[in-house]
Amino acid sequence: QAVVTQEPSLTVSPGGTVTLTCGSSTGAVTSGHYPFWFQQRPGQAPRTLIYDTDAKESWTPARFSGSLLGGKAALTLSGAQPEDEAQYHCLLSYSAGRPVFGGGTKLTVL
Amino acid sequence: EVQLVESGGGLEQPGGALRLSCAASGFTFNRYGMAWVRQAPGKGLEWVSAISGTGDSTYYGDSVKGRFTISRDNSKNTVYLQMNSLRPEDTAVYYCAKDRWARETTVVTPGDWGQGTLITVSS
Repeated sequence: QAVVTQEPSLTVSPGGTVTLTCGSSTGAVTSGHYPFWFQQRPGQAPRTLIYDTDAKESWTPARFSGSLLGGKAALTLSGAQPEDEAQYHCLLSYSAGRPVFGGGTKLTVL
Repeated sequence: EVQLVESGGGLEQPGGALRLSCAASGFTFNRYGMAWVRQAPGKGLEWVSAISGTGDSTYYGDSVKGRFTISRDNSKNTVYLQMNSLRPEDTAVYYCAKDRWARETTVVTPGDWGQGTLITVSS
């Protein structure tokens, strides 16, 4: 089974910009991995932010965007707000196996 | 509006059994694969089990295979997880998740999540 890697933790200043990444042990992440991004605020359930690399759910704030960057899936937050402090999980799909979650990135807004 | 409401969590002794339920509303239930995903304290998300829309196909993670059974009742819009031979390492919040798309598959990529139910396995 593939291993999906994320930064364990990142910090961003209020109003700042930060990029979280999601890599795969099998090689470059492509659109064929259909990357998903989930936000999980403290004490809450996950909620889906991004699917299929860059598509947003109806509830996804405009300051979040998804992309492919340097062989990884990326989630960029532009104009961080205090309520964006959360754990962010990515999910990659594989044609020869099950989707795999990354370990999550704890984002601190400070 | 999609709603997924889990129930059935609680404290159970090692070797015991629990049954989780996830009541769904706001979508055509039998068209969507459903999954259970768990999160141990301070840990990441882990697939537990998944079931296709008709219920004909199921998937189990290696850590629960042979102990847990997933099922669904499409007349009640509910998915279940029967958990037997519980172990301390099963302690986690269990989330019910709905596939992002209407398709007959156990390869669920979550579009909607329930609020979760806590299972604690301890003597």
